[in-house]
Amino acid sequence: ETGVTQSPTHLIKTRGQQVTLRCSSQSGHNTVSWYQQALGQGPQFIFQYYREEENGRGNFPPRFSGLQFPNYSSELNVNALELDDSALYLCATQTLTNTEAFFGQGTRLTVV
Amino acid sequence: KNEVEQSPQNLTAQEGEFITINCSYSVGISALHWLQQHPGGGIVSLFMLSSGKKKHGRLIATINIQEKHSSLHITASHPRDSAVYICAVRSSGNMLTFGGGTRLMVKP
Repeated sequence: ETGVTQSPTHLIKTRGQQVTLRCSSQSGHNTVSWYQQALGQGPQFIFQYYREEENGRGNFPPRFSGLQFPNYSSELNVNALELDDSALYLCATQTLTNTEAFFGQGTRLTVV
Repeated sequence: KNEVEQSPQNLTAQEGEFITINCSYSVGISALHWLQQHPGGGIVSLFMLSSGKKKHGRLIATINIQEKHSSLHITASHPRDSAVYICAVRSSGNMLTFGGGTRLMVKP
């Protein structure tokens, strides 16, 4: 049990739609990172939030956006879904003083 | 060339065998993580290393900073060890860069 919860666990969307994925973490985990994992590959960094501000971004287009809230929960929003967005989306949280990362179970998104 | 390379990509072992998974990286890092991912997706952190060696149960992780290389060893492997093992390095900005993973199957 990592204390990090993602919702929903599975989701099917149609190409062109928008989706919001959610991540909640333990109190004090003020850094949250989102990753995309395509089937058979390692996770790829999407972006990171620290104290509600974006703190780093990977090679993902602007239609991938995020939010972090004062209660340490976070959202990943993807607009104009494409078939290639089908993947497992993982969030990982950590505290400022401990770089150990705690992962959620992931949300498996299928775009049809 | 990826910043983090793992080998082998796939590994099949018999129960009881000693297993080694390797990770090489090309960037400066502040820490290296070994992670375990079971079918269904959830990732569990096994080790976080910045130097030397760590041991937890049957798992041992080592890192050589000068050679930019780390190994994960599993002693007396068991079918429940079957999973994907992922090496990830932490560099600037606290982000993780992941290797492609090693898919391990341990047969009874």
